[in-house]
Order: sequence, then C-alpha cells, then structure tokens
Amino acid sequence: DAKTTQPTSMDCAEGRAANLPCNHSTISGNEYVYWYRQIHSQGPQYIIHGLKNNETNEMASLIITEDRKSSTLILPHATLRDTAVYYCIASSNAGGTSYGKLTFGQGTILTVHP
Amino acid sequence: DAGVTQSPTHLIKTRGQQVTLRCSPISGHKSVSWYQQVLGQGPQFIFQYYEKEERGRGNFPDRFSARQFPNYSSELNVNALLLGDSALYLCASSSGLVWKVQETQYFGPGTRLLVL
Repeated sequence: DAKTTQPTSMDCAEGRAANLPCNHSTISGNEYVYWYRQIHSQGPQYIIHGLKNNETNEMASLIITEDRKSSTLILPHATLRDTAVYYCIASSNAGGTSYGKLTFGQGTILTVHP
Repeated sequence: DAGVTQSPTHLIKTRGQQVTLRCSPISGHKSVSWYQQVLGQGPQFIFQYYEKEERGRGNFPDRFSARQFPNYSSELNVNALLLGDSALYLCASSSGLVWKVQETQYFGPGTRLLVL
C-alpha cells in the first residue's frame, strides 16, 4: 500500500467546513483512497472512499486530484462531534497477501472548537 | 442492523497467560480482519479471514492466531502474553461478496486488553 502523509493536527470552528489534506504521491493505479475516523477509544468509523472521481455521501466529500497524488476530505459543516483522529489510507484491490489489510498511519487530529 | 460486535469489552491478564477475543461480523459479511492498536498509534493489521481460511497476515509473531467459524464469527488468540500486547484489539468485517476485490471494512468497538 502506498504511504500517505497527513498533518498531525488541525483546528476548525464549529459550523465551518473542515478540509483535511492527504498526500499519497506513490499511489498506484489500483489503489483506492479511504478515509476513516476514530473518536477517542472507539473503533474506526468508515467515512468515504474513492478511486479517481470525487465522491460525496451524507458524511463528507472526497476530492482527489487529477494525478491522484493527493486528496482532501471535506466535512461541510463541522460539529463538536466531528472531533476525532482522521486517517487517510491508500489500499489496493489487487488481492494477494495484502488483501484485507488497511495500513493506518498516525492520522490527523481534528479539533472542532465552539 | 447490528454492526460488528466484539467481546469482551475490557480484559485484564498477567504476563504469560493466554487470551481469546471474539468477533461477530455484520450479518451477511463473510470476511473478518483483526487489528492491534497500541496507545498513540494507528491500528496495525494482524490477520484477515475469509470463508474460514487465513487470507492475509501482518507482521506479528506466532503467538497470535485466529480462526473463523462456519457462521463467519471469529476468534483471536494470543498466547504467552507480554506487557507489549496491551492494546485495543479491533475486528473489522467486509462483505466478501467478490473475493480479491478490496471492500470497505467496518470496525467493531474493540476489546481493550491490559497485560500486567
């Protein structure tokens, strides 16, 4: 799986959009970009994933650059409950020994302020 | 629908003991993965099971083993516990409808193991 790089921490005001960047410059053509978040001491929660195109669901939007070397997770209206560690993961769908493996980095600690 | 469930929620063991952690996947999911998360780090992949067979293994010693049952639930066993095994153990399930296609994994709440 390609290595991802995220800022260690970010702040956001409640009600504003939170834009979380992720670099994955060595991503291969068959690797998806996944975003998970983990609220203190809970299991990671799936947010969104994409391959090439931008994606949107009820939780967030994912913007992937055309060269796929970076992406941005957007929480359109952050709330206090969005305070969590956000993980960006590049994961292959090619199977083999890495099948089923998500490689988590350190993630970004997002703090939403009132 | 119920999500991934894990038991127990917390566990305290002493060095040298053995522990068994349990996971029930989302109904209809056939694939289960196990992760270890030590304090301050992201989860680390241990195993992935599909149709009762091990399909992926991370860089963990042989003291770690797992199995999957016909109902797709799974157990993680750790023998000869070390202090460093203290961690949150996470189980994730995916549908496994199409083998070798990366599918979204959904995580349970985890089992927090403390080794004294």
